[in-house]
Amino acid sequence: GENVEQHPSTLSVQEGDSAVIKCTYSDSASNYFPWYKQELGKGPQLIIDIRSNVGEKKDQRIAVTLNKTAKHFSLHITETQPEDSAVYFCAASSGGGADGLTFGKGTHLIIQP
Amino acid sequence: GAVVSQHPSRVICKSGTSVKIECRSLDFQATTMFWYRQFPKQSLMLMATSNEGSKATYEQGVEKDKFLINHASLTLSTLTVTSAHPEDSSFYICSAREGGGEHRYFGPGTRLTVT
Repeated sequence: GENVEQHPSTLSVQEGDSAVIKCTYSDSASNYFPWYKQELGKGPQLIIDIRSNVGEKKDQRIAVTLNKTAKHFSLHITETQPEDSAVYFCAASSGGGADGLTFGKGTHLIIQP
Repeated sequence: GAVVSQHPSRVICKSGTSVKIECRSLDFQATTMFWYRQFPKQSLMLMATSNEGSKATYEQGVEKDKFLINHASLTLSTLTVTSAHPEDSSFYICSAREGGGEHRYFGPGTRLTVT
């Protein structure tokens, strides 16, 4: 089955700086890669996703890049703000929607004021 | 946007009893729903996938007789934890997929504590 590795487990950055979280996956059949933000005691919220036929996608301060050859994808957050502090999870799926997601272990992002 | 609700948000039960958790898609029809379990400071682990009107598919290591899943309609799936034990205490989260889309929308989670 799929295995998703995520690094770092904790990331502390100064407010206004950029944050980058990286993930690798093992199943070359995976074709859908979402990123979720989870605040304490709440369910995950989708913040951005990318499909395997696209190399990069951007939505305001958030961007995701995908390297299919190397089987890795990254989340980039620019101009970080205190409200960006949360746990971020990457995930992968190969079922075109029919399968559940395999999640990385999460990154606790801390934005220092 | 697509909203998924869960009920209850928190439940405390005694060891040996059963607990039912509901997951509803409020503004869309969910052909597929997924159940996850999340232990403190850990990632989400997929427990099972359910399609409306058919039996759930369980992940390896998840006991289907202990975690009963019913996806009776396109907007409702239930997870029943039978004969709960303290080690079943966890955060249970459902997600729903709308039609043929790839997006999975997550519910707010249910905190189960078994005493």
